[in-house]
Amino acid sequence: DTEVTQTPKHLVMGMTNKKSLKCEQHMGHRAMYWYKQKAKKPPELMFVYSYEKLSINESVPSRFSPECPNSSLLNLHLHALQPEDSALYLCASSQAIPRGREKQETQYFGPGTRLLVL
Amino acid sequence: DQQVKQNSPSLSVQEGRISILNCDYTNSMFDYFLWYKKYPAEGPTFLISISSIKDKNEDGRFTVFLNKSAKHLSLHIVPSQPGDSAVYFCAASAISSGTYKYIFGTGTRLKVLA
Repeated sequence: DTEVTQTPKHLVMGMTNKKSLKCEQHMGHRAMYWYKQKAKKPPELMFVYSYEKLSINESVPSRFSPECPNSSLLNLHLHALQPEDSALYLCASSQAIPRGREKQETQYFGPGTRLLVL
Repeated sequence: DQQVKQNSPSLSVQEGRISILNCDYTNSMFDYFLWYKKYPAEGPTFLISISSIKDKNEDGRFTVFLNKSAKHLSLHIVPSQPGDSAVYFCAASAISSGTYKYIFGTGTRLKVLA
């Protein structure tokens, strides 16, 4: 099973709403990632969790709040978003994040949640 | 500042011929490179990778070449098939002083014509 699932597939929210995106994997991976992808742009790394601890936060605004309740689940809590936050939000997982010059671990991506902020 | 660039936004190739997708990077800190394929409404799917200590890696119809001095990598698909039509992203990663970078290129849309 090399599947990463994400829910919901689509989400429309107002700027005052609070919503959450969910991601799940059952591959035993210990690293999970959130990416944001705008139209015709590459995915941009937002957060990295390693062994359920936030490892990397790429200067993302606080209106995005990640959470890793356990090794299989990753959430992204959204609050007071702006219309420019509308994008495809991708979750990924890998066996681990690399240390030093170890072999890079391949990331497996979910299908994404397409978010529209009105 | 786009550290990983794919200068061809699109490419059309006849079925059976070779597809060559190119990727350039600016930061010599990157030491691992990957190619992903993306269909509409799906997340990227890993294709092939290469470490900076190698200059070539082959997996079936896919071969990745790395030229470190030119900071350039390419993906060769031969023979190309209509099912290969998708957007292809290169990605570069690095670990340095505890900082982890994983940066995607701008993407190339490949169309394989039957």
